[in-house]
Amino acid sequence: EVQLVESGGDLVQPGRSLRLSCTGSGFTFGDYTMSWVRQAPGKGLEWVGFIRSKDYGGTTEDAASVRGRFSISRDDSKSIAYLEMNSLQTEDTAVYYCTRDRSAYGGDAFDIWGQGTVVIVSS
Amino acid sequence: DIQMTQSPSSVSASVGDRVTITCRASQGSSHSVAWYQQKPGKAPKLLLSAVARLESGVPSRFSGSGSETGYTLTISSLQPEDVATYYCQQYYRPPWTFGQGTKVEIK
Repeated sequence: EVQLVESGGDLVQPGRSLRLSCTGSGFTFGDYTMSWVRQAPGKGLEWVGFIRSKDYGGTTEDAASVRGRFSISRDDSKSIAYLEMNSLQTEDTAVYYCTRDRSAYGGDAFDIWGQGTVVIVSS
Repeated sequence: DIQMTQSPSSVSASVGDRVTITCRASQGSSHSVAWYQQKPGKAPKLLLSAVARLESGVPSRFSGSGSETGYTLTISSLQPEDVATYYCQQYYRPPWTFGQGTKVEIK
């Protein structure tokens, strides 16, 4: 079964850091661009960023709202994508979803979604 | 950035009704538009990609159309299990952007 499982969500204080993990199974993880999408309580979906497959340099793109604070990396040997979040703000409180972009380069729909992991930023 | 403006924000219709949701892009998106369904407490699910390509297992009552800056998701005959929030998304040019969502309810 093709699956993504996120982990690492937690309650953290403003200004602190947190790392989320996304573990894929049932497919060749390294062949795909992986994205993170978040959803604040009661709000819509917001794309956070993606990391391309190594075939396309493993380069990343991210949203302006997280630029300079969040970074995405991947370890294809473990089928894991990471979202490193620094200088967390209360407005980063959300469910964070890991998604699979159907392409290696980035630029296709998200056909697989994880169940989400909850990040709460509060003092 | 390409803004996706979705309407209406909510719709209430009877079982069997035709429901139409529209999404307007601030710039041409060259058919790189997807539609997702999200049920309460669940992750979104891809319904259609490339404007009109129905995903495997998605009922044929869902269809998509449009081009350049205007896109439409249609549910031809609303069913109780279609109660959800629907989002459009462009993946033509990063940053990928979503519409605000349309909540579909049964009258």
